[in-house]
Formats: sequence, structure tokens, C-alpha cells
Amino acid sequence: QVQLQESGPGLVKPSETLSLTCSVSGGSMTSTYWSWIRQPPGKGLEWIGYIHFTGSTDYNPSLKSRVTISLDTSKRQFSLILNSVTAADTALYYCARDHYYGPGSYNWFDIWGQGTLVTVSS
Amino acid sequence: DIQMTQSPSSLSASVGDSVTITCRTSQNIDNFLNWYQQKPGKAPNLLITATFSLKSGVPSRFSGSGSGTNFTLTISSLQVEDFATYYCQQSFSTPRTFGQGTTVEIK
Repeated sequence: QVQLQESGPGLVKPSETLSLTCSVSGGSMTSTYWSWIRQPPGKGLEWIGYIHFTGSTDYNPSLKSRVTISLDTSKRQFSLILNSVTAADTALYYCARDHYYGPGSYNWFDIWGQGTLVTVSS
Repeated sequence: DIQMTQSPSSLSASVGDSVTITCRTSQNIDNFLNWYQQKPGKAPNLLITATFSLKSGVPSRFSGSGSGTNFTLTISSLQVEDFATYYCQQSFSTPRTFGQGTTVEIK
């Protein structure tokens, strides 16, 4: 049974870099995609981007200039870096397994971490 | 980006009621539509994939329908544990996008 756990600082200063890690336990990290999704307090869900075990990535255009997602299968982790943060980046950040097998295939987020709250404030 | 519009944004209902939540997309997404349930303080939980398919373990009182740009989630007989916020999500293209959510509250 795959389980996900986010970790990282809960407070980041404006203009600095947000860095989170998702640890994957159980199951395999290959043959599927891994996503980051965020949810501002009291608001809806926003997909940030995903990474495939081959290293291929896709990002939300609204964040693309500031986002990097990376993967380390040997450590069973994938990570999110978001640069130049502002208060608008304050959110609960989730990592999720993106059950997706490539273009044209149905896909969904079937396993989620519990989420980690990141507050951007000086 | 594909825009998602859910309605209503909230509704009040009683245990045993049938409720329907609508999700409309800004372009044709065929059947690439998923539904999630989120309870306060918890991560979203996948309910339905590809418009119709119930995730294993999800009660049969949940059902999904639709195609193209119009989709619905129906809960046929609300139970106490169903009071939550529901999100639709399109998986037709990236960026993956979600509806704004529908909160189902106890009347």
C-alpha cells in the first residue's frame, strides 16, 4: 500500500524559496507520475505539476516560471521547489500519486499525502 | 486552461435526501472527469474516475454521469459521513484543473 508524506518548512519569507519533499513508502515509484497540488486556506485545489519516473515534467503555466519538481527514486522521494514566493503562495501543499500512463489515458489522483501548511510571511 | 464550473457552491440537505452536484467544463473533455470528497482537515479522497467508475470501496449511493462538457455527481441517499466538500477535476489535458467545490451541509 503506497503512502505519501510531505515534509519541509512551515514558514517561508517573501521572495525566498519554498522547498518541500514527499516521501513515498510502499509500492513502486516507476511507471506512473507524481504530482504536487496546493490549496490556499478555505479555497479550492490547484495542480502545480507532475514528474514521471523518467524525469519528464509538466507544470501549471501559472507557476511554470517559478517551479521545479524533481525525483530521487533511490531515496523514494520527489520534491517541489517554488521560487520568489509571496503571500499568495500560502497554502496547504499536497503530494499525490498521479495514476496516469501517458497521453490519451484516463488519469486521476488516487493517493494523497496528508498535506503540509506553508505560510509565507516575514 | 480548461475552466471548471461547479454548482451549487453549497447546499443543505437532510440524511436520506438525494443530492446532485453539477460540473461544467469550458471545452469538451469526453469522459475525462473525476470526483473527490474532502472532509475538514483531510486530503481529498478519490470517489469516481472517468465520469462513471466508482473507486473500490466507495458506496454505491454515489454515482457519476455525463459527457462532453456537462457532468453530475449524485448521492442517492445522504448519510452522515457524506457531509463534506466535493470537487470535480478534469484529466483531459494539462494543466489539470478542479472545480471550485460544492459543500454539502446538514440541514
